[in-house]
Amino acid sequence: ETGVTQTPRHLVMGMTNKKSLKCEQHLGHNAMYWYKQSAKKPLELMFVYSLEERVENNSVPSRFSPECPNSSHLFLHLHTLQPEDSALYLCASSQDVLSGALFHGYTFGSGTRLTVV
Amino acid sequence: GDSVTQMEGPVTLSEEAFLTINCTYTATGYPSLFWYVQYPGEGLQLLLKATKADDKGSNKGFEATYRKETTSFHLEKGSVQVSDSAVYFCALSDLIQGAQKLVFGQGTRLTINP
Repeated sequence: ETGVTQTPRHLVMGMTNKKSLKCEQHLGHNAMYWYKQSAKKPLELMFVYSLEERVENNSVPSRFSPECPNSSHLFLHLHTLQPEDSALYLCASSQDVLSGALFHGYTFGSGTRLTVV
Repeated sequence: GDSVTQMEGPVTLSEEAFLTINCTYTATGYPSLFWYVQYPGEGLQLLLKATKADDKGSNKGFEATYRKETTSFHLEKGSVQVSDSAVYFCALSDLIQGAQKLVFGQGTRLTINP
C-alpha cells in the first residue's frame, strides 16, 4: 500500500476513444503531479497541482486534460490520442512546503500502463 | 534551468559486488537531493534523501552524500543483492508556487546476477 492509488493499472484505447486516468491519495498531501514515463526517455513532468490549482503545465498537448477536484483526487482525461502517447503514466503527491512542513519527496502510485492502438 | 545527470546504464554486477551510480546536478539554489528506485512493473519509491550539504542519506544498505563542492550525490552500496535489480533515479527539488517539483535524471538500470 503506497498511499497513492492509480486506476486502471492497464488501459488499451483506440485513437478515437475518450478515457480517464484516476489518482487518489490518502496521505493528507496537497500537491499532486502527473508524469509520463516512456521507454528510453527521462521522466517527463506533465502537470503540477498545488492546493488544487494548476501551477505548471509543461507544454502538454491539449489531448491531455487534467482535473483536480479536491486535494485527494487527480484525473487525466484523454481523447484522440496518438500511438506515441503509449507510456506509463505516473501520479505522485507531496506536502506543500508553504505550510511549514519539511519536504520529504514524492509518494508515487504504481502507474497506469497506457497503450494506444 | 536545474538539471540532473546520471551515469549511463545499464549496469550489470555480480552479487556481493560494490555499487556506485554517479549523479551530478546543476542548480541555482540549494536543492534537496533524492534517490528513487523503480522495481519492474511498479512506480517509483523513495530510497533516500539529503537536504543540505554534507548530509548523508541512507536506507537498505544504500548511501549517498550531498557534496556541494562537486555538485554530486553518488549512490553506493557495499554488497549488492539480486533483489537490488531495478532502475535508479537521482533527483533534485525545485520549488514552484508552493509545490516541490522534482527534476529527475534519466535513470540507471541495474542488474545483479547471482
